[in-house]
Amino acid sequence: NAGVTQTPKFQVLKTGQSMTLQCAQDMNHNSMYWYRQDPGMGLRLIYYSASEGTTDKGEVPNGYNVSRLNKREFSLRLESAAPSQTSVYFCASRDRANTEAFFGQGTRLTVV
Amino acid sequence: AQSVTQLDSQVPVFEEAPVELRCNYSSSVSVYLFWYVQYPNQGLQLLLKYLSGSTLVKGINGFEAEFNKSQTSFHLRKPSVHISDTAEYFCAVSRGYGGATNKLIFGTGTLLAVQP
Repeated sequence: NAGVTQTPKFQVLKTGQSMTLQCAQDMNHNSMYWYRQDPGMGLRLIYYSASEGTTDKGEVPNGYNVSRLNKREFSLRLESAAPSQTSVYFCASRDRANTEAFFGQGTRLTVV
Repeated sequence: AQSVTQLDSQVPVFEEAPVELRCNYSSSVSVYLFWYVQYPNQGLQLLLKYLSGSTLVKGINGFEAEFNKSQTSFHLRKPSVHISDTAEYFCAVSRGYGGATNKLIFGTGTLLAVQP
C-alpha cells in the first residue's frame, strides 16, 4: 500500500535554479494538494486540484506552478528558486467525499 | 473562507497527566474538522475527524475531541499522556459538504512535550 508517494525526499538548489517536485497517489482520489511547512507557521496550502485538469491557488501560490498530469499525479514546479522557498513540502490526496486527507512523507528543500 | 487558530504553540505536560490542545475555527458554513499528528521527520497521520452526528469524537491512541458549534471549537483531549505522545498536533478545517474539492486549511500546530 504505497498511498501518496513524493520524490525526491531531499533536494538542495541554488538560487535561480528550477525543479519539479513529484507526487503520485494510488488511492483513486479526486483531490490533491500541495502544502509547505515552516516552523511556527503550520502547513500552508500552495495549490490544490479538485480533479484531473483543474487547479486552484491556495494561501501561498506565488513562485510556484502546478500540473495535474492525470488522476494519479500532481507536480509542483519552482521556476526560479529563492531562499524563501526553503521548506518542507507535503503532497496530500483526498476522496470525492472530501473527508480524510492522506499525506506523503515530505520533501525537504533547501535553497542556498 | 475557513480559518483555524491554535493558540498554544507548545504544551508541556508530565507523563500520565491529562492534556487539552485547543482549536478554534472560523467559517460561515458547516464544516468538517480534523486533528492530525506529526512525529519527528514524518508525514501527517489522522488522529480523528468530525463530519456530522455525535459531537464527541474518539480517535486513535486514546485521543478524543468535542465539536462545539456555539463556541466554534474542536479541542483535543487525552486523559493520561505517555512519552510516546510527544509530537506536533495540527487542527484542520474544510467546508462540510461534498461536490467540488474544498480547501483543507491547517492551524499553526501545537507541540505536545511530554516529560517524565
